[in-house]
Amino acid sequence: DTAVSQTPKYLVTQMGNDKSIKCEQNLGHDTMYWYKQDSKKFLKIMFSYNNKELIINETVPNRFSPKSPDKAHLNLHINSLELGDSAVYFCASSQDEATSRGYTFGSGTRLTVV
Amino acid sequence: AQSVTQLDSQVPVFEEAPVELRCNYSSSVSVYLFWYVQYPNQGLQLLLKYLSGSTLVKGINGFEAEFNKSQTSFHLRKPSVHISDTAEYFCAVSKEYGNKLVFGAGTILRVKS
Repeated sequence: DTAVSQTPKYLVTQMGNDKSIKCEQNLGHDTMYWYKQDSKKFLKIMFSYNNKELIINETVPNRFSPKSPDKAHLNLHINSLELGDSAVYFCASSQDEATSRGYTFGSGTRLTVV
Repeated sequence: AQSVTQLDSQVPVFEEAPVELRCNYSSSVSVYLFWYVQYPNQGLQLLLKYLSGSTLVKGINGFEAEFNKSQTSFHLRKPSVHISDTAEYFCAVSKEYGNKLVFGAGTILRVKS
């Protein structure tokens, strides 16, 4: 009964390819996020959606495009992958936009671009 | 904007010893503060949070943290650690009523027997 599940867990791909990471939550939460954790373990927010609407869009290359078909899903599509995109990508959800309730994180997708 | 500094990248400690992981934040407005733990190959899990009220906050697994507004700190403590506490710990901040969590760089806690 995974609360926030991401697929795939590992992704190895060549530069220039297009790939997607999927995220689903079964908690009934309204808000979902994508965070990127780089090689130095810095966690940076990329996007957040509340009830399928884009709320936060940090300074992220437009090669990254989030898509939320419904409030339980937030997928991340990456075009023309570059070496610098290698990182662990975490999906998270929260009951609403308020940080006060805390986030529930998925176990991450380790993307390696070669 | 808010930011977080975790002063130690790694903290080695022997089992049953006390530990303190340090966190300082920067903000011009009131904040919420959080500690998350990440076990190997897992996502982050909320340990505890400070929103308002008592400055001493107790969390899961015997951890506690104290909010110190004058020192802009939110250090995490445990009086006696176990091997199973070995993990990476992240401090995070958001502005009060905010919608974005900003994380520190993490502190790896290594508990040795």
